[in-house]
Amino acid sequence: EAQVTQNPRYLITVTGKKLTVTCSQNMNHEYMSWYRQDPGLGLRQIYYSMNVEVTDKGDVPEGYKVSRKEKRNFPLILESPSPNQTSLYFCASSFYRGTEAFFGQGTRLTVV
Amino acid sequence: TQLLEQSPQFLSIQEGENLTVYCNSSSVFSSLQWYRQEPGEGPVLLVTVVTGGEVKKLKRLTFQFGDARKDSSLHITAAQPGDTGLYLCAGDSSGSARQLTFGSGTQLTVLP
Repeated sequence: EAQVTQNPRYLITVTGKKLTVTCSQNMNHEYMSWYRQDPGLGLRQIYYSMNVEVTDKGDVPEGYKVSRKEKRNFPLILESPSPNQTSLYFCASSFYRGTEAFFGQGTRLTVV
Repeated sequence: TQLLEQSPQFLSIQEGENLTVYCNSSSVFSSLQWYRQEPGEGPVLLVTVVTGGEVKKLKRLTFQFGDARKDSSLHITAAQPGDTGLYLCAGDSSGSARQLTFGSGTQLTVLP
């Protein structure tokens, strides 16, 4: 089944404790991205990747890191999480930029 | 950053009523996508409109792209409880490497 898989689905952590949210897609998509979703703000892009080893900042990159060592994986790293990073995070992939985006099921992160 | 404004932000209607959701921008998009998101899930693509003035129908849902490709609308005829969800528009700008610019969404509730 074609899908984007994120883990974990739910995560509660403390301020400053490094964490990684994994994302994997099995559709051989070139383009992958991370979004955060906050009430009233819609989906805002954090980082995107047009291909392996090619990543760039989206609209709200501060406090986040990503890597794209393999085509299928695009982990999101929070080196020192803060409470303002409490949000619902989505990973998405598509064949090329601008084409249909396939989303994971989301990761609800709470930083206390 | 290009902005997409959606209205209304919340909509609660009775089963059988019609409704229209609007997506407006001052920017021109090469295409515009509509997604529906259900609780606990990621957004799922409903339709993509590409040509100015284009109208697409998906059962009881009618999507229109503005002539100038700056705005779009989603009209639902005879809404049903199964239409309940968050509707998101997303614009693609061919001049940007970023994937999509999302609107803030319209939360639709259809009461039986």
